[in-house]
Amino acid sequence: QKEVEQDPGPLSVPEGAIVSLNCTYSNSAFQYFMWYRQYSRKGPELLMYTYSSGNKEDGRFTAQVDKSSKYISLFIRDSQPSDSATYLCAMIYSSASKIIFGSGTRLSIRP
Amino acid sequence: KAGVTQTPRYLIKTRGQQVTLSCSPISGHRSVSWYQQTPGQGLQFLFEYFSETQRNKGNFPGRFSGRQFSNSRSEMNVSTLELGDSALYLCASSVGDRQNTGELFFGEGSRLTVL
Repeated sequence: QKEVEQDPGPLSVPEGAIVSLNCTYSNSAFQYFMWYRQYSRKGPELLMYTYSSGNKEDGRFTAQVDKSSKYISLFIRDSQPSDSATYLCAMIYSSASKIIFGSGTRLSIRP
Repeated sequence: KAGVTQTPRYLIKTRGQQVTLSCSPISGHRSVSWYQQTPGQGLQFLFEYFSETQRNKGNFPGRFSGRQFSNSRSEMNVSTLELGDSALYLCASSVGDRQNTGELFFGEGSRLTVL
């Protein structure tokens, strides 16, 4: 079993829809949770970062962490074609450990 | 502020050859991590260097090696290339101090094709 599981998609939704992307993980020691966005032929870029449980909002993006269920989510409101990309969740145990990435979900927003 | 620079961007090698990839981190960043990305396996951690020392290592064979220089620039080397080494190799830099919170800044990658 992988430490971090993420549905690879592809996920296709119409423009303006609310998108929900999710990851589950197996190790309760993870403390920091991140979402990266990767456009085709580019490197990933940090989108959202949260520490421990709770919600964090940034514009149209909301990251949610539920440590009791070992489940993290990224919500995109009013989705735009420019949001079409692969979204990778990532998490880390502590300041000295390596970052574990999910396999990524490919998202396509239809105009 | 200049981003992470990786060279070369594309390269083609044959089985048995070796390859060296280079990464220049963001100015002031002392940590450089390397990842292999393939469609089947996703983003796999290779190793991380901080202040010229390897701080973390992934589960890759010894054919994969790296180093970091005093100016924080890093290189990774793959010897005796195999077909399965074809991938996008990504370098990421971070401030790298004790509070390593996972905020990585990635380069655009070096796409290696092994024939």
